[in-house]
Amino acid sequence: NAGVTQTPKFQVLKTGQSMTLQCAQDMNHEYMSWYRQDPGMGLRLIHYSVGAGITDQGEVPNGYNVSRSTTEDFPLRLLSAAPSQTSVYFCASSSPAGSIYEQYFGPGTRLTVT
Amino acid sequence: AQKVTQAQTEISVVEKEDVTLDCVYETRDTTYYLFWYKQPPSGELVFLIRRNSFDEQNEISGRYSWNFQKSTSSFNFTITASQVVDSAVYFCALRGKGGSEKLVFGKGTKLTVNP
Repeated sequence: NAGVTQTPKFQVLKTGQSMTLQCAQDMNHEYMSWYRQDPGMGLRLIHYSVGAGITDQGEVPNGYNVSRSTTEDFPLRLLSAAPSQTSVYFCASSSPAGSIYEQYFGPGTRLTVT
Repeated sequence: AQKVTQAQTEISVVEKEDVTLDCVYETRDTTYYLFWYKQPPSGELVFLIRRNSFDEQNEISGRYSWNFQKSTSSFNFTITASQVVDSAVYFCALRGKGGSEKLVFGKGTKLTVNP
């Protein structure tokens, strides 16, 4: 199993550009989520999904869109990048939805918006 | 609302010292789950432990131990005989039972172990 994979590892965008951060897991996990990590802020939940076709907002959803068409993939879209979105983004998954098991995290994507 | 407070932003110790990382949480759920994650300089998040609210037994894993006290809403993490490889940012996290999968993280404690 590859676990949770994220691409790209690094990305530099200009203000106003759009892009999609990819996240995939091969563990058949129902629950997937996106966090952003900023210095001194810990990890904050952006969006999450409890299964294919179901998504919901987390703590800091503005400026981001998600969709979940398959169990494996949970892409995060930045519609119009802003410098405030400079951060490290982590994708996570766990199963089954509603379980108490720990979330498995991907290696992260470091995004810089200039 | 759920909240996790890690009051220690940074801690620096000398190798072989014992160190305790504090974690205080707030939740209205009667059933909840507490976690500790380690983030080494390489950046990945490594799961360390999960604790259920109805299990207050302390846990020891090698040089790591965890002290869970519901009376003080604390879930502290102690590293005994610290080593340079323990240098990392450590996060405490909380998940409630109320149907939400959301993990709420503390802001983390950066531990530096000097040789």
